[in-house]
Amino acid sequence: RKEVEQDPGPFNVPEGATVAFNCTYSNSASQSFFWYRQDCRKEPKLLMSVYSSGNEDGRFTAQLNRASQYISLLIRDSKLSDSATYLCVVNGRGGADGLTFGKGTHLIIQP
Amino acid sequence: SQTIHQWPATLVQPVGSPLSLECTVEGTSNPNLYWYRQAAGRGLQLLFYSVGIGQISSEVPQNLSASRPQDRQFILSSKKLLLSDSGFYLCAWSEGSWLFGPGTRLTVL
Repeated sequence: RKEVEQDPGPFNVPEGATVAFNCTYSNSASQSFFWYRQDCRKEPKLLMSVYSSGNEDGRFTAQLNRASQYISLLIRDSKLSDSATYLCVVNGRGGADGLTFGKGTHLIIQP
Repeated sequence: SQTIHQWPATLVQPVGSPLSLECTVEGTSNPNLYWYRQAAGRGLQLLFYSVGIGQISSEVPQNLSASRPQDRQFILSSKKLLLSDSGFYLCAWSEGSWLFGPGTRLTVL
């Protein structure tokens, strides 16, 4: 089983719609969870951390279900500028060990 | 504020040639530094990490090596490149939060 799994998409969504991505992770001892955004040929940039209680940042809402080892990202009122690849990221081992990335979900917002 | 520099930005190299990619960090001291690779159609894969000068941990057996000659410098090298070494190489810094450099896009022909 892969450590972090995501639907690669692409998700083609009309502007203004709501879109949700899911991600599952295999390491039940994982400690930190993130969503990163990566634009074409650019480095990943942190979109938001994901907390057990769920958290919201403007149009973006992230949820974590530790029992099911499942993370979600909801984007409301999608904009053309939201088109990107969204990476689910887990810091499973703590300490100096690195992040584990999903392959990403490609989102295309259509006018 | 912290910044990460990587160079070169792009590189085209023949199979069998050597490689040296450099990463430098500003605005922090004694950072944990990481090399990731993103190959076509694949997720980011951790290659090496370093918690200090001269300290390198390798995540996967491979054709590459890393060195940390100075606190804020992290170098990725190869003596002989393979076609499979092509990819997008990202240096990252961690000190609680994470920051990625702009990356080096390597094409091995």
